[in-house]
Amino acid sequence: GESVGLHLPTLSVQEGDNSIINCAYSNSASDYFIWYKQESGKGPQFIIDIRSNMDKRQGQRVTVLLNKTVKHLSLQIAATQPGDSAVYFCAENHQAGTALIFGKGTTLSVSS
Amino acid sequence: NAGVTQTPKFQVLKTGQSMTLQCAQDMNHEYMSWYRQDPGMGLRLIHYSVGAGITDQGEVPNGYNVSRSTTEDFPLRLLSAAPSQTSVYFCASSYSVQVPYEQYFGPGTRLTVT
Repeated sequence: GESVGLHLPTLSVQEGDNSIINCAYSNSASDYFIWYKQESGKGPQFIIDIRSNMDKRQGQRVTVLLNKTVKHLSLQIAATQPGDSAVYFCAENHQAGTALIFGKGTTLSVSS
Repeated sequence: NAGVTQTPKFQVLKTGQSMTLQCAQDMNHEYMSWYRQDPGMGLRLIHYSVGAGITDQGEVPNGYNVSRSTTEDFPLRLLSAAPSQTSVYFCASSYSVQVPYEQYFGPGTRLTVT
């Protein structure tokens, strides 16, 4: 079936480390992927997106990598800060104009 | 801009009661949607709308109704609340149904059904 899942439910890192959050998807027809950050008690917040015709996209301190061969998506956060502590969701879209399918989320904990 | 607003923030209902969760956006976005989020789960799509007068079902539509009479508002109605509908509900909007597809989320409504 169609699903977007994350490899690990939790990830703990030290402040200053680089963090890598992984996501696997099963629908090869997915053509658009988004990473969201959700802080406690708030709605998800857009971080970065990538289209299926790209392998890599960089933002401010974040990089998303897409490997279509193995249907894998990752979010890299450079120099992780305590303010990065949150739940991170990947989402896919494979029917333009309808819906995003969300994964279950990875909780990132950053200790100083 | 206020962005996406949701009311109420918290609500407790008894089984069988009905209520409407309100959602409004002031960004002139065409696309609006409702999600529910349960502990340890990602967000699951309930209903969505690609413009005023147009709505469609998402992944988990049973027990919920929506309407879209204006671009700004997209209320979600619970017809007869059940404990299984205890969840956090998020409304989201996007300027276009076309890629890029960034959705802006509201702060959520935490609903408890007893």
